[in-house]
Amino acid sequence: AQKVTQAQTEISVVEKEDVTLDCVYETRDTTYYLFWYKQPPSGELVFLIRRNSFDEQNEISGRYSWNFQKSTSSFNFTITASQVVDSAVYFCALSEEGGYQKVTFGTGTKLQVIP
Amino acid sequence: NAGVTQTPKFRILKIGQSMTLQCTQDMNHNYMYWYRQDPGMGLKLIYYSVGAGITDKGEVPNGYNVSRSTTEDFPLRLELAAPSQTSVYFCASYRGGATDTQYFGPGTRLTVL
Repeated sequence: AQKVTQAQTEISVVEKEDVTLDCVYETRDTTYYLFWYKQPPSGELVFLIRRNSFDEQNEISGRYSWNFQKSTSSFNFTITASQVVDSAVYFCALSEEGGYQKVTFGTGTKLQVIP
Repeated sequence: NAGVTQTPKFRILKIGQSMTLQCTQDMNHNYMYWYRQDPGMGLKLIYYSVGAGITDKGEVPNGYNVSRSTTEDFPLRLELAAPSQTSVYFCASYRGGATDTQYFGPGTRLTVL
């Protein structure tokens, strides 16, 4: 069975600080997919990234970066120079299939960026 | 493109009533999904579809039904609503490529009293 753990329930940082959101996963498959989603206070869901288990390269997109480490079963998300607009709940998720059919979500980390 | 649209945005049902949550996407995506999000939790997959005429159960399908007669529409039917179905429901779609983005609708907040 697959499982995603986001141990940090809530994090508060001051604007411009860097922050890392942790995600640890469990799966028996050698092929799997990892995701991050953002849910702002307005409630909508925004897909951020999808990464397959064969691609361990770190990903950077603007102020966002993701560190995938198979050895520790982690897929951590870092926001550099945080901004108030980054305040949201962030979900990490795992799928053992290529699509989004069997995705298991973590319980989310609420990030508050204080001006 | 409107993306993924959902109606209604809010609904209150009485126990035992039925309703259909509508979901439409205008991106010609093959894959569509229905999720529910309970307070303080991540999403759980209810049903999904890989194309018109093809649907399958997700993690929590009991109490729900779906159909996919067209590529654009993927309605979710609640029969005999129960308080346990109080949740926020999200519809999503995805074209199907290895790096394609999944798009979400704005959600429907359903309360069953």
